[in-house]
Amino acid sequence: SQQGEEDPQALSIQEGENATMNCSYKTSINNLQWYRQNSGRGLVHLILIRSNEREKHSGRLRVTLDTSKKSSSLLITASRAADTASYFCARNSGNTPLVFGKGTRLSVIA
Amino acid sequence: DTAVSQTPKYLVTQMGNDKSIKCEQNLGHDTMYWYKQDSKKFLKIMFSYNNKELIINETVPNRFSPKSPDKAHLNLHINSLELGDSAVYFCASSQARETEAFFGQGTRLTVV
Repeated sequence: SQQGEEDPQALSIQEGENATMNCSYKTSINNLQWYRQNSGRGLVHLILIRSNEREKHSGRLRVTLDTSKKSSSLLITASRAADTASYFCARNSGNTPLVFGKGTRLSVIA
Repeated sequence: DTAVSQTPKYLVTQMGNDKSIKCEQNLGHDTMYWYKQDSKKFLKIMFSYNNKELIINETVPNRFSPKSPDKAHLNLHINSLELGDSAVYFCASSQARETEAFFGQGTRLTVV
């Protein structure tokens, strides 16, 4: 399959805890992107990390990329109930459109 | 202002019917896409357009026909709808194929 794989498929944590989601892929990339999807809504872009970058931050989000292992992780620190959503990684390779993984469903319990 | 808007949001129709979903983006982007999200939340690319020209057409039945009258619009027409077409269809756009994508709210299609 060309799709990336996220793990875990589902994650349930308490408010205030950190949430880590992982993504693996099989082909070379230009960049890797993370998106959030709230229930019944469209996807919202969170972070883009280029293949020559190793780490990127945006507010409470931290993304790492290890191209040697073809993997990336998304860390959400000090989680809030509003972070409850599905999170997808998407790889960009050459001239192809984004290829999405299967997503991680995050539940943050207040 | 909504960046990428699609209509309708919900569409319930009978098998065999023909239906269209409209998509418009006001971001000035050159590239537009249609994605299909199945019941397991798996997102799959269907079509990619760049400056009104079809760039990518994944393995999609030819009952699905995209139409791009101009750079800001990419509509999806579906003929002879089947039960298996039930899904959420997302339109998206990006400035270039390697940049971030902006998604519409989705159209939930239910074929009965």
